[in-house]
Amino acid sequence: GQNIDQPTEMTATEGAIVQINCTYQTSGFNGLFWYQQHAGEAPTFLSYNVLDGLEEKGRFSSFLSRSKGYSYLLLKELQMKDSASYLCAAMDSNYQLIWGAGTKLIIKP
Amino acid sequence: GAVVSQHPSRVICKSGTSVKIECRSLDFQATTMFWYRQFPKQSLMLMATSNEGSKATYEQGVEKDKFLINHASLTLSTLTVTSAHPEDSSFYICSARGSEWETQYFGPGTRLLVL
Repeated sequence: GQNIDQPTEMTATEGAIVQINCTYQTSGFNGLFWYQQHAGEAPTFLSYNVLDGLEEKGRFSSFLSRSKGYSYLLLKELQMKDSASYLCAAMDSNYQLIWGAGTKLIIKP
Repeated sequence: GAVVSQHPSRVICKSGTSVKIECRSLDFQATTMFWYRQFPKQSLMLMATSNEGSKATYEQGVEKDKFLINHASLTLSTLTVTSAHPEDSSFYICSARGSEWETQYFGPGTRLLVL
């Protein structure tokens, strides 16, 4: 079956770095997406990886290892506004997104 | 990123009435649109996938006669919740993408409260 695993909740300190891991098993693979969702709002797109390696975009970076079925989202210089849920989603061979349950990130001052 | 709008953002209705939610892609042509539902503190749940000009594909457990989806153009899809009941109260979110390999962009969501 198809499955996405990510931690339910993580806590980090303002100004620090946090890494949110995601492992996936899908029928075929057409890329890995990360979305951010603030409470009460719709998800917003953060990143897309289809090749192995690290993609950096400002304070956020996303890494993919296709051979390991593994991705992570790295957030640097954490700000209070980064408190949100982070959703990992893998695209299968039918171009359908398989969603993880999301990781709730709590930032403490 | 691409812009997707949803209307209305919030709706309160009486039990037994029907509610229509519109989803529009504002700056791109959306070959495929998706409808999700999210209950408080739960993950996104895909309800259905619709391709322009064809019937929507519903996920298991989603009643197609209750949640009517129309994707009549490349920029508009509608979800109609027919004979709404309090248990249908939820956050309904649409997303859209241009082609199969492109990113899905989400609308801002519609909060439905059925009294």
